[in-house]
Amino acid sequence: GNSVTQMEGPVTLSEEAFLTINCTYTATGYPSLFWYVQYPGEGLQLLLKATKADDKGSNKGFEATYRKETTSFHLEKGSVQVSDSAVYFCALGGRYGGATNKLIFGTGTLLAVQP
Amino acid sequence: GAVVSQHPSRVICKSGTSVKIECRSLDFQATTMFWYRQFPKQSLMLMATSNEGSKATYEQGVEKDKFLINHASLTLSTLTVTSAHPEDSSFYICSARGQDGNGYTFGSGTRLTVV
Repeated sequence: GNSVTQMEGPVTLSEEAFLTINCTYTATGYPSLFWYVQYPGEGLQLLLKATKADDKGSNKGFEATYRKETTSFHLEKGSVQVSDSAVYFCALGGRYGGATNKLIFGTGTLLAVQP
Repeated sequence: GAVVSQHPSRVICKSGTSVKIECRSLDFQATTMFWYRQFPKQSLMLMATSNEGSKATYEQGVEKDKFLINHASLTLSTLTVTSAHPEDSSFYICSARGQDGNGYTFGSGTRLTVV
């Protein structure tokens, strides 16, 4: 079935380090891919998205490229800040395999950035 | 941008009582709303999908008689946890999708504690 797999955390980095959080997916059809961020005690906020192969989503210094050949959507940031500490969710949604609408999440990756 | 208001943000109830959680789209019409439950260690589980004016579609393993979902208008969906028990304590998050089908906007979540 359709699924999203993302690397387990927690990921602990020092400020200004390079961040990569891996995400791969399994889906039929042509899904859209998303990264959401959740700060402590809050709901989810859309960080970035890509709707078709080779699209690059970017926001707040984060970016991810929709790679159909490797079925991946890895999240990267060149220099993390303490304020980036949060849980990051990779998600798959939109039309795929005949089904519509459902947003399927990975298990989330906790990022902790130390000063 | 699209805003979804979820209320209440926190609720404590006694075992055996029912609790209603509201999810409102403030500036767009939400043709589809989703309800998620977030377990410890981040994992988000889709509970059900509801389309305005029709019955909700529940995911496998979710008790429809326990988690009542109503989507009576294009701007409001409610989740009622009936006869709540301590094991229902969790963080519940709603998400709404508009008629244009672009993007999923999340509420800020509800922390339910059943004592």
